[in-house]
Amino acid sequence: AQSVTQLDSQVPVFEEAPVELRCNYSSSVSVYLFWYVQYPNQGLQLLLKYLSGSTLVKGINGFEAEFNKSQTSFHLRKPSVHISDTAEYFCAVSDLTGAQKLVFGQGTRLTINP
Amino acid sequence: DTGVSQNPRHKITKRGQNVTFRCDPISEHNRLYWYRQTLGQGPEFLTYFQNEAQLEKSRLLSDRFSAERPKGSFSTLEIQRTEQGDSAMYLCASSPAVGEQFFGPGTRLTVL
Repeated sequence: AQSVTQLDSQVPVFEEAPVELRCNYSSSVSVYLFWYVQYPNQGLQLLLKYLSGSTLVKGINGFEAEFNKSQTSFHLRKPSVHISDTAEYFCAVSDLTGAQKLVFGQGTRLTINP
Repeated sequence: DTGVSQNPRHKITKRGQNVTFRCDPISEHNRLYWYRQTLGQGPEFLTYFQNEAQLEKSRLLSDRFSAERPKGSFSTLEIQRTEQGDSAMYLCASSPAVGEQFFGPGTRLTVL
């Protein structure tokens, strides 16, 4: 069975400051890794994904994440945040084969203060 | 708009009533998923279809829950004899193959 731990439930940051949202996972097999963003009362939107290849992945809205296999981590970063980045962020993993259902972390609420 | 759509967006019902939700995936996607999200939590997997075949169900999916995907197109999720613990956001996602799942806006269920 797989599990995902998002180490911070809430992260307050000032506008234009850098941010890192932490994600660790546990799995006995190789996985795909994802970060999704959820705005209030909406579904989830994919920010970025790691399927294979370069461990540094760039996504939408200036976000990037680095896959670290030895530390089983997939932390999300942005060098300079905006008010519009205020949202809930979810890290998720899936198997490489079969149903490839997503296993999500508990989420991190990112709040950007002016 | 060619994204995943879900109807209704909101449903309020009384305990013991039956409810049905619909999901229309992106047309060329053969994989369809249902998830449930409660307040302050990440989504949890409920069930998976590949075309019209339901290939995997979570233990979260009690016998009061049933899902179908006739002809491999839209899907319905029915909850019979609703309980207050069923109150949640029900999310549908579709995927063409390996990788990204595209999510709909969700149906928020409130059981009174």
